[in-house]
Amino acid sequence: DGGITQSPKYLFRKEGQNVTLSCEQNLNHDAMYWYRQDPGQGLRLIYYSQIVNDFQKGDIAEGYSVSREKKESFPLTVTSAQKNPTAFYLCASSIDAGTETQYFGPGTRLLVL
Amino acid sequence: QKEVEQDPGPLSVPEGAIVSLNCTYSNSAFQYFMWYRQYSRKGPELLMYTYSSGNKEDGRFTAQVDKSSKYISLFIRDSQPSDSATYLCAMSETGANSKLTFGKGITLSVRP
Repeated sequence: DGGITQSPKYLFRKEGQNVTLSCEQNLNHDAMYWYRQDPGQGLRLIYYSQIVNDFQKGDIAEGYSVSREKKESFPLTVTSAQKNPTAFYLCASSIDAGTETQYFGPGTRLLVL
Repeated sequence: QKEVEQDPGPLSVPEGAIVSLNCTYSNSAFQYFMWYRQYSRKGPELLMYTYSSGNKEDGRFTAQVDKSSKYISLFIRDSQPSDSATYLCAMSETGANSKLTFGKGITLSVRP
């Protein structure tokens, strides 16, 4: 059963702490994306990766970091430099970077303690 | 002017109503247009996908694109309570490295 999984479903971060959100896909897609969704706002692109070992900053990359060591995995780290991290984080993938159709995971809700 | 504007809502309709959801955009280079449906606390799911101008129908859903007016619509016929969700429009330019630009989404509630 192909799809995108994200874990955990809920994540709590303390002040000054780095946290990592997991995103895995078994769709054999080349491109993967991380978005942030805030209430009343559309999805904003944080980082994207077109291929393994390569990634680019999106519109709101400050305070975040990513890696793409495997095709199926694209973890997102929310660093302590991100001063307003409370949001719903969505991972997506597409067949390749030139394909417009993106498929989304179930999301991770990050809350600050 | 934001690149993609979507009516903020929320929108509440009785069961069986015809629903019209709309987005306008400013970037004339957009060629691909999508509608995503997002249930509460879930990830968005692709509902409709259209290239360039024209209509596309899938069951109770019709997507319409008018590039001359930079306006896209999603029509839902015979709306059901299960259609209650947030609807996001998204669009992109053509070619490699094209990124999706999303509207803010509109929350629809269909009353039984």
